[in-house]
Amino acid sequence: KAGVTQTPRYLIKTRGQQVTLSCSPISGHRSVSWYQQTPGQGLQFLFEYFSETQRNKGNFPGRFSGRQFSNSRSEMNVSTLELGDSALYLCASSLDAGNYGYTFGSGTRLTVV
Amino acid sequence: GQQVMQIPQYQHVQEGEDFTTYCNSSTTLSNIQWYKQRPGGHPVFLIQLVKSGEVKKQKRLTFQFGEAKKNSSLHITATQTTDVGTYFCAGLSGYSTLTFGKGTMLLVSP
Repeated sequence: KAGVTQTPRYLIKTRGQQVTLSCSPISGHRSVSWYQQTPGQGLQFLFEYFSETQRNKGNFPGRFSGRQFSNSRSEMNVSTLELGDSALYLCASSLDAGNYGYTFGSGTRLTVV
Repeated sequence: GQQVMQIPQYQHVQEGEDFTTYCNSSTTLSNIQWYKQRPGGHPVFLIQLVKSGEVKKQKRLTFQFGEAKKNSSLHITATQTTDVGTYFCAGLSGYSTLTFGKGTMLLVSP
């Protein structure tokens, strides 16, 4: 079966711009979670969606937002980009977050210059 | 909030030596999961432990969940160069999110 698909794989943006990242989960998975990975901080939780509802949100500023569509596909948006937003953004899908193991996508590498 | 600490941060072994990484949670967990991330890759799910004192094996990998469900370990017997990567534990507490430790980077020299 197809895995978790994230697009785009790489992005270069300028400070102050905004960006939208996309994630298509495994068919049948209704839970989608987003993580930010940086060398110093590891995997930090951004938010989790289940059946179009945000169930949990991590400690990130309001510039970070997301949504999930009826087909379980999810997007996350970062507005007013800062240099510190440069990271690998990982999407993970699961039957029900945390209880069955996550399948991660390959991630989107965002560089803010 | 929930915190998951993992040690060591980094370990370099010779091929054939054993390796262990430890994970400790600030809260009691309903389950703990382990992931492996190869250099340049993304985390890949290895296993989930749910029961107190549970021990599971996958070939040369042995996973344990502590009796109090607050700690866990991953032990690799006779490491191989294919074991190189970062190993993450991730704990779930109640209805909260899956919280990842910062990982242990394993380097194996031939």
